[in-house]
Amino acid sequence: ETGVTQTPRHLVMGMTNKKSLKCEQHLGHNAMYWYKQSAKKPLELMFVYNFKEQTENNSVPSRFSPECPNSSHLFLHLHTLQPEDSALYLCASSSDRGSDVAFFGQGTRLTVV
Amino acid sequence: AQKVTQAQTEISVVEKEDVTLDCVYETRDTTYYLFWYKQPPSGELVFLIRRNSFDEQNEISGRYSWNFQKSTSSFNFTITASQVVDSAVYFCALIPANRDDKIIFGKGTRLHILP
Repeated sequence: ETGVTQTPRHLVMGMTNKKSLKCEQHLGHNAMYWYKQSAKKPLELMFVYNFKEQTENNSVPSRFSPECPNSSHLFLHLHTLQPEDSALYLCASSSDRGSDVAFFGQGTRLTVV
Repeated sequence: AQKVTQAQTEISVVEKEDVTLDCVYETRDTTYYLFWYKQPPSGELVFLIRRNSFDEQNEISGRYSWNFQKSTSSFNFTITASQVVDSAVYFCALIPANRDDKIIFGKGTRLHILP
């Protein structure tokens, strides 16, 4: 148990669906992150929030839309995804940005059909 | 360019053997941080170690040890007397100090410890 909880653990969605991934941390951290882990590719940092403000968007397509209503919760809203978006989506948090140790959730395994 | 290379895609060893996971990095920065994370089948990445570029001292934590060599840009990880519970994917990562939100992960090494 890392203190970072992600729901759902598994999600299957059609290309026309809209769904949201949820991440919650009770570690008192100020920074939260979304990562994408695809087969045979390095972990890709998608979004960074620091004190609820988005500080980084690594050229992620607009069909992925993050939301950070407070420093404990992070969402990833999904709409009109493509099959190549199927991956493990990992949420992480750290006390501050960057070089601090990150604590990861168990991920949401997303399959787009 | 910033890059992390884990050349070993998959390794299998028999329990109780020692195993070393290689990590080679590239960066132009003089100040940076290196990490190792473990990803068990449950999915979450678990922090193992962080090392800053000014601290080349090797570290030992139980059966785990790390060898940081700036001269060869390597940060290798050794598990001594491996156990089945060590089976996981291991990631090496680099954060340049001047772009502290640009963490770069290697592709990972999948380690199988056979009973």
